[in-house]
Amino acid sequence: QQQVRQSSQSLTVWEGETAILNCSYENSAFDYFPWYQQFPGEGPALLIAIRSVSDKKEDGRFTIFFNKREKNLSLHIKDSQPGDSATYFCAAKGSNNRIFFGDGTQLVVKP
Amino acid sequence: GALVYQYPRRTICKSGTSMRMECQAVGFQATSVAWYRQSPQKTFELIALSTVNSAIKYEQNFTQEKFPISHPNLSFSSMTVLNAYLEDRGLYLCGAQGAANSDYTFGSGTRLLVI
Repeated sequence: QQQVRQSSQSLTVWEGETAILNCSYENSAFDYFPWYQQFPGEGPALLIAIRSVSDKKEDGRFTIFFNKREKNLSLHIKDSQPGDSATYFCAAKGSNNRIFFGDGTQLVVKP
Repeated sequence: GALVYQYPRRTICKSGTSMRMECQAVGFQATSVAWYRQSPQKTFELIALSTVNSAIKYEQNFTQEKFPISHPNLSFSSMTVLNAYLEDRGLYLCGAQGAANSDYTFGSGTRLLVI
């Protein structure tokens, strides 16, 4: 059973719009949720992360909204730029230190 | 800053042969190293998690006999893909963690092609 799910395989937005990427998870023992950004030919890079004790984490144009009861979270990218075009992975980690990744959402920001 | 280097970046091996890949942590001490395989469809599969002073824990469908891992010190880890076949192709990623509960930093991966 997949531990982390991302609802969209791909998402296209126009420059300046807010891109919303959704994610859900199975294991209520997960307590740390990083989002990774991956460009072609590179490894995933940590973008922003949230702990389960919070319901919102903001860092510049990137915001995570977290709903522990519903076991879902979303990444909002405000004022999307063409340079934000990449694949975004939602991930989850519990006390055993293992990180599980979703299948990724490929974001395309059109100028 | 914390960086992780993986080498080689890409490699081609003949079916049935083995291939070793390396992972170097720079700027921090890698107390835990996680090895993943990213399929062409971009799905991440956790192969194993190695924590210093603990046994290496392999995930279901991955074994030490097929993917032996070495983590001899706090800056280096290696993994070998033994008897590689077509289904082993993909991007192998190393993620290293410093202190417990800190973030994992990933390398750029070793892309394995099997012919």
